[in-house]
Order: sequence, then structure tokens, then C-alpha cells
Amino acid sequence: ETGVTQTPRHLVMGMTNKKSLKCEQHLGHNAMYWYKQSAKKPLELMFVYNFKEQTENNSVPSRFSPECPNSSHLFLHLHTLQPEDSALYLCASSQTGGETQYFGPGTRLLVL
Amino acid sequence: EDQVTQSPEALRLQEGESSSLNCSYTVSGLRGLFWYRQDPGKGPEFLFTLYSAGEEKEKERLKATLTKKESFLHITAPKPEDSATYLCAVQAVDSNYQLIWGAGTKLIIKP
Repeated sequence: ETGVTQTPRHLVMGMTNKKSLKCEQHLGHNAMYWYKQSAKKPLELMFVYNFKEQTENNSVPSRFSPECPNSSHLFLHLHTLQPEDSALYLCASSQTGGETQYFGPGTRLLVL
Repeated sequence: EDQVTQSPEALRLQEGESSSLNCSYTVSGLRGLFWYRQDPGKGPEFLFTLYSAGEEKEKERLKATLTKKESFLHITAPKPEDSATYLCAVQAVDSNYQLIWGAGTKLIIKP
């Protein structure tokens, strides 16, 4: 594997389900990011981890819970989501904060 | 307030018809401006970083330029495979992690 990988690529869940998104970066980077991308809207930064420590949390609802066990892996735990949470969730990494960010392919999430 | 505006929202060109995409920005101090390409159903792919006014970078048919207020992505003799959404983002000097993103320009190149 190279670059940034994300699983699953597609996810359909009900409002009462619990699921997790996984991101892994193979670039030796120290910072990892979760973004939400909705149609025709700018990317929304959700969380940032630098050296496994959370440094940004952009007022994201508590139904989204991030986890970063090491510099290579990032998870986004989802529970009791709303239909408006349907979007493309992108993971990115960079060498450090402020450096160029490299993105994974995203997880297309549909909440029914 | 820091913000990024991209125009046009969508652009349709014939193959070989050169044009430019615009990214206007307002930021307290610019650390860097980034251009990405995004294909449908995929994550953004990094193209260029520009740091100071007057800087230019090229890659194949793409050339990015930067002034103190805006950046242009010039596309010369485009091919259908250049069709994608092009995203612009800026980073302010007082921000370690936050990028301010534009909504993108959807480029369609017809054969």
C-alpha cells in the first residue's frame, strides 16, 4: 500500500447504528486530518492530530468521535448520525502541521 | 474574515481551448496557497503550492500563478482527461493546520 488509504469506501448506515471509518497513511507523516465534503461546499475540517495528539476540533458534534492510536492510523467512530451527515469523509496527512496535505480516496457515507 | 472564492463555478471548454480558473483570497497573512485536482468519487490530488506573489509553477498543461489577492490556474490546450474539479486552499501565517478552502471549479473538456 502507498499513500493514504481509507476503508470502507462506501457505507450505508441507519441512524441508530455504530460504525467506524479507518484511515492509514504510508508516508511517514506526523499529522492526520478528518474532513467532511458535501456537494458544492468547501471542505470542512473536522479534526486534526499531530504526533497522536488532537490539536483541532472544529465544533464537531459528539456523534463523531476520533481516535488516533499512532501516527499512521486514524479512526472516526460514528454513532446516532443524522441524514444531514451523509457526505464524503476524507482523511489526509502531512509531514507536520502547515505542510502539504495528501488525501485518501474518501468514504462515501449515506445515513438513512 | 479569511475566505477563498473560486470562479467560475463550472467551465466547459472544447479540447484545445485554453482558459484560466481564478482563486481570490482574503487572509491576514499568507503562508501558502494550494491547488488540488479532484476526480469524481476520489480524494483531492495535490498539484501545486505557491508561497509568494510573483511565483509560478507548471506541470504538463497546467500553470499556477500567484498575486497578493488571487491565484490563477492556467490550462493550455486541455484534453478530456483534464476534466475534474479544481480546488484552491490557503493557509494563514497564524494557523498551523487550518486550510481555508474554496468550493472548487468544475472543469469539463469536450472532445
